[in-house]
Amino acid sequence: GQSLEQPSEVTAVEGAIVQINCTYQTSGFYGLSWYQQHDGGAPTFLSYNALDGLEETGRFSSFLSRSDSYGYLLLQELQMKDSASYFCAVDDTGFQKLVFGTGTRLLVSP
Amino acid sequence: DADVTQTPRNRITKTGKRIMLECSQTKGHDRMYWYRQDPGLGLRLIYYSFDVKDINKGEISDGYSVSRQAQAKFSLSLESAIPNQTALYFCATSDEMQGYGYTFGSGTRLTVV
Repeated sequence: GQSLEQPSEVTAVEGAIVQINCTYQTSGFYGLSWYQQHDGGAPTFLSYNALDGLEETGRFSSFLSRSDSYGYLLLQELQMKDSASYFCAVDDTGFQKLVFGTGTRLLVSP
Repeated sequence: DADVTQTPRNRITKTGKRIMLECSQTKGHDRMYWYRQDPGLGLRLIYYSFDVKDINKGEISDGYSVSRQAQAKFSLSLESAIPNQTALYFCATSDEMQGYGYTFGSGTRLTVV
């Protein structure tokens, strides 16, 4: 079967750095994406990695190691507005059909 | 106007009733998806469509059907609603040429009583 494992909850303080891990077991692998979802809102796309290494987009970075079936989302200079759920998702067919993880709830405190 | 619009936003229906959730998009994307979200289970794929003539089942299609009426419209139907179909339903779109980011609608919160 397909599985993506993430921690259920992570807590951090404003200004800190936090890393959200994702390990996956899927029938195929063509890329790892990250999405952010605030309570009551829709998921929004953050980043995508198809190749090993680090991708940086402002305060957010995403890392992938295909040999380890592992990736992470790194959030720097945390702000209160970063409190949300974060989902990793794998494209398992190469046709943008995504399998999502169960999500990590990030709580940022003052 | 939103790029991906879902209607209704909230719906309460009775067991056994037929209900349709609608999704329309102005992104011009070919690919459309229906996901359901349950607490602790993340987003699970119900159906997806890569163009008007292409419909595919996702991992949890039982009890659901879809219709792709046009490039911009993708509807999800529950033929006979049951309580365990109570969930938050999201429609999403993507475009092969514009990268791997889905654009999601605002969701439909469905309660089956």
